[in-house]
Amino acid sequence: GDSVTQMEGPVTLSEEAFLTINCTYTATGYPSLFWYVQYPGEGLQLLLKATKADDKGSNKGFEATYRKETTSFHLEKGSVQVSDSAVYFCALRTGGFKTIFGAGTRLFVKA
Amino acid sequence: DGGITQSPKYLFRKEGQNVTLSCEQNLNHDAMYWYRQDPGQGLRLIYYSQIVNDFQKGDIAEGYSVSREKKESFPLTVTSAQKNPTAFYLCASGTTGESNQPQHFGDGTRLSIL
Repeated sequence: GDSVTQMEGPVTLSEEAFLTINCTYTATGYPSLFWYVQYPGEGLQLLLKATKADDKGSNKGFEATYRKETTSFHLEKGSVQVSDSAVYFCALRTGGFKTIFGAGTRLFVKA
Repeated sequence: DGGITQSPKYLFRKEGQNVTLSCEQNLNHDAMYWYRQDPGQGLRLIYYSQIVNDFQKGDIAEGYSVSREKKESFPLTVTSAQKNPTAFYLCASGTTGESNQPQHFGDGTRLSIL
């Protein structure tokens, strides 16, 4: 079945460091790919998405490129801030109505 | 603004008691979902519904029940049969036809045992 694998956390970085959170997927068909962010005590919010191969999603300085050849959708940010501390979820959706979520990666950013 | 409203934000359950978590959406979405999130863990699907008056079990439905009498509403009941109900519960909604559309989430209800 379809699945999403994320790098385990927590990831701890200093402010202004470069961030990469790895995400790979297994899917039949051609999924749409998403990154969601969850701040403490809140629900998930869509951060960015990409719907076809080679698409790049971007938002708030975060980027991810849909790589079909490596079945990956890694999240990157050039310079993290303390306010980026949160849990990040990679997800995919194929032709059905269910979304498959990764286990989440917790990010801590130190001042 | 369109969105999903979950209530209450915090809920306490006594032994042997059933409790109901509310979820309302005004996004005109056909599909609605309930997830459970334990500390430091990912999301586990409890129940989902594609259309009014129809719903299906997810991966961890035992000890829970739902109803879908209106398109806007998808309440979740945590029954006394659920022996470990302490968790963060998230409701979501989404489209059924377009796979490029994300799910939308409420702000969650935190359930604890008294």
